[in-house]
Amino acid sequence: DAGVIQSPRHEVTEMGQEVTLRCKPISGHDYLFWYRQTMMRGLELLIYFNNNVPIDDSGMPEDRFSAKMPNASFSTLKIQPSEPRDSAVYFCASTTGGGAAFFGQGTRLTVV
Amino acid sequence: AQSVSQHNHHVILSEAASLELGCNYSYGGTVNLFWYVQYPGQHLQLLLKYFSGDPLVKGIKGFEAEFIKSKFSFNLRKPSVQWSDTAEYFCAVDTGRRALTFGSGTRLQVQP
Repeated sequence: DAGVIQSPRHEVTEMGQEVTLRCKPISGHDYLFWYRQTMMRGLELLIYFNNNVPIDDSGMPEDRFSAKMPNASFSTLKIQPSEPRDSAVYFCASTTGGGAAFFGQGTRLTVV
Repeated sequence: AQSVSQHNHHVILSEAASLELGCNYSYGGTVNLFWYVQYPGQHLQLLLKYFSGDPLVKGIKGFEAEFIKSKFSFNLRKPSVQWSDTAEYFCAVDTGRRALTFGSGTRLQVQP
């Protein structure tokens, strides 16, 4: 298995632009998580899905953030409009109900 | 809400020294516990996990951890570190909802 695949690996955008991050979970995994990693706040859970249904989005910082999982093999995290404080590494992870989470390589987002 | 504390933020060791990284969590119920490692510029990789059974669990690369329920602790150990162990180490807790709560991480620097 190729593992959790995220794209793009790096994204530089201007403040106010829309940013879309993509994730393909490991086949057969029914949980998908979006985390954000910053120096100041560490690893924060933004949102997670079970069987494509959002379970907890209480970590989504603002309405500018939205996430979707239209099918079992694809999820997006969108930021619109983006702000410099959104700069971070965004990780996607997936797992089955009884296993450990496997993480993607992350997307390093820089908003200038 | 549950929380995870890693009291050692930065540890510097010489090669062949023994390692112990502390992890404490605050949650009164059943937990699943994890240690992840993040090498510079890379994603999180699973070192080891505890779900149930023997509280002393062995992971990859010679790491082990001991779950002490009465102390709400899950400390990571390695008898003899190598330069290649230089990385950041994260303790994480799953309280049953499958999403992980992470500690703030411990940066380990091993000097040759």
